[in-house]
Amino acid sequence: DAGVIQSPRHEVTEMGQEVTLRCKPISGHDYLFWYRQTMMRGLELLIYFNNNVPIDDSGMPEDRFSAKMPNASFSTLKIQPSEPRDSAVYFCANSPGVLPPTSTDTQYFGPGTRLTVL
Amino acid sequence: DAKTTQPPSMDCAEGRAANLPCNHSTISGNEYVYWYRQIHSQGPQYIIHGLKNNETNEMASLIITEDRKSSTLILPHATLRDTAVYYCIVRTPNPYTGNQFYFGTGTSLTVIP
Repeated sequence: DAGVIQSPRHEVTEMGQEVTLRCKPISGHDYLFWYRQTMMRGLELLIYFNNNVPIDDSGMPEDRFSAKMPNASFSTLKIQPSEPRDSAVYFCANSPGVLPPTSTDTQYFGPGTRLTVL
Repeated sequence: DAKTTQPPSMDCAEGRAANLPCNHSTISGNEYVYWYRQIHSQGPQYIIHGLKNNETNEMASLIITEDRKSSTLILPHATLRDTAVYYCIVRTPNPYTGNQFYFGTGTSLTVIP
């Protein structure tokens, strides 16, 4: 397995433009997470999905951000319109979602997308 | 989730053991201790996790105190490639709400030649 794949690896855009970040998760991993990392705020959880269904989006900063998971092999994080303060590295992560409840789980991170909004 | 406290930075000589401490005094009985690291410009990488017993794998050892209020990650023979930010996280596994992690500021480990 190639692991978590994210594209693009780098994105430079101008303020006001729409940005779409993509993630191809590990096959069979039921949980998908989107994180954002900045120097000021560290690594923040934005939203996560279980079996393609959004479970918790309380970390999404505002309505300009939206995330979808149309199927088990693809997810997108969209910013519209983008602003300079959205500049950050965005990570997608997966975990298998192992049961029973006493089992533990491990998250596997993608390489990230470095977004620069001018 | 229980909070963790880690020193902001540490140095270690190449070839020596790196011992990274973590305090988690409010940890509850079913919370696991996880360690991740992040090498510059890469995504966080899983290292090891444990509940109450000491654990060892090919990357590191995890020592958890008997009262579980603190733990130490040990890299037995640090190399320059171990220079990274190391995150200690405590987490309750919950298959109904997911297994989200809350990363703190971590410890920036620098391995010195």
